[in-house]
Amino acid sequence: EIVLTQSPPTLSLSPGERATLSCRASQSVSTYLAWYQQKPGQAPRLLIYDVSNRATSIPARFSGSGSGTDFTLTISSLEPEDFAIYYCQQRSGWLYSFGRGTRLEIK
Amino acid sequence: QNQLVQSGAEVKQTGASVKVSCRASNNSFRSFGFSWVRQAPGQGLEWLGWITAFSGDTTYSPKFQGRVTMTTETSTSTVYMDLRNLRSDDTAVYFCARDRGHYFDIWGQGTLVTVSS
Repeated sequence: EIVLTQSPPTLSLSPGERATLSCRASQSVSTYLAWYQQKPGQAPRLLIYDVSNRATSIPARFSGSGSGTDFTLTISSLEPEDFAIYYCQQRSGWLYSFGRGTRLEIK
Repeated sequence: QNQLVQSGAEVKQTGASVKVSCRASNNSFRSFGFSWVRQAPGQGLEWLGWITAFSGDTTYSPKFQGRVTMTTETSTSTVYMDLRNLRSDDTAVYFCARDRGHYFDIWGQGTLVTVSS
C-alpha cells in the first residue's frame, strides 16, 4: 500500500497570503494524484485531479504540481473561505489511499 | 444535476451489520463506478472499496476484505455498502463518491453510523 504523508499538519496563514501544501508518496504514483478540500460537517470537495487539472468551478488561485513522489497544492492568495482541511489522494493498481490532511487555519 | 443522496443515520450494536444506500440522480449511472470512503470522528479519510455500476465488479481495501460487500441496483440507480461484524471503531461518517477511475468528483452527503455496545 502506498502511504501519503502530508505536511505540515497545520498551516497558519492570513488572508491574501500564499499557501503551499505538500504531499509525499512512499513510492511513485504516476499522475494519479488528487486534492480535496473539506470543511466541518461537509463532504470533501474535489479541487485538483491528475496532479494539476482543476475540477469544475474551482477558482484559478488553486493549482497543483509535482511528479513521482512529491506533489504540491498551492493557493496563490488565500480567501476567507479557503480555511479548511486539505487531503491528497492517490490510486495505485486497484487501490486508493489518502493522506492524513493539512489543516489550513487563520493566523 | 449530478447528485448522490445517501440513506439516514444508523445506530447499531457491536457485532451487527449495517447497510448504507447511495442513490444517483444522473441518468448515466451505469457508466460510472462508485467508491465508499469513511471518516471516523476527528480523523481523516479512509477508502473501503469501489464497485462498477454496470457490471457490479468490486475491489475492496485489504483492511475490509471479508467484512464489506458492495452491490448495485441499476433499476433505481443505487449502490449499497454492507459492513458486517461492526466494532466500536467502525463508528464514522460513510460517504459514497462517484469514481472517475482515479479520483472522486461527486460525493454524497454522508451517513453517520454509530456502533455502541
